[in-house]
Amino acid sequence: QVQLVQSGAEVKKPGASVKVSCKASGYTFTGYNMHWVRQAPGQGLEWMGWINPNSGVTNYPQKFQGRVTMTRDTSISTAYMELSRLTSDDTAVYYCARPSVAGTHEFDPWGQGTLVTVSS
Amino acid sequence: DIQMTQSPSSVSASVGDRVTITCRASQGVNSWLDWYQQKPGKAPKLLIYAASSLQSGVPSRFSGSGSGTDFTLTISSLQPEDFGTYYCQQANSLPLTFGGGTKVEIK
Repeated sequence: QVQLVQSGAEVKKPGASVKVSCKASGYTFTGYNMHWVRQAPGQGLEWMGWINPNSGVTNYPQKFQGRVTMTRDTSISTAYMELSRLTSDDTAVYYCARPSVAGTHEFDPWGQGTLVTVSS
Repeated sequence: DIQMTQSPSSVSASVGDRVTITCRASQGVNSWLDWYQQKPGKAPKLLIYAASSLQSGVPSRFSGSGSGTDFTLTISSLQPEDFGTYYCQQANSLPLTFGGGTKVEIK
């Protein structure tokens, strides 16, 4: 079955960077964009961008441009999301999510989420 | 960016009740509107895509309607397992954006 498994929780200091991984299985990794969505504690969902695992092309919303980098390693079917210059506002659960159908923007499945805590 | 506004922000209903959640987009999104259910500590789960199409495996008591700027998610007969927070998401244009969520509680 299609599955996305993310790396474990992280605690970072303000100003640091964090890199979260998302290992895909059960489908052709290069056939679907991989998206990242985050959720601050008690808050709603915020889209962070996508990467095309085949070409490496990325698309980030303006809010995160210059601070987020999405990469992939096709040899191990894994996508990565790195966020730099962390502040307390970046404390959140970070999810990777795959479109249900290639080329669309409805997400199924999702990874289990990775809690990133930014604290001095 | 397209702003998505959900109402109500919370609803408390009894088992068997009909529950309706609305989502309004700040500009037209055609039928590119999806609905998710999220339970505490879990990732969101896709319920409805393209405004009215039921995702595989989702119970038929869930339905979606609307197009343009106004959309509705209906639970025809609320079940105990339907508690959680429901989010709409527009998939018409980047950046993708979500509504603020509607928390559904069982009385």
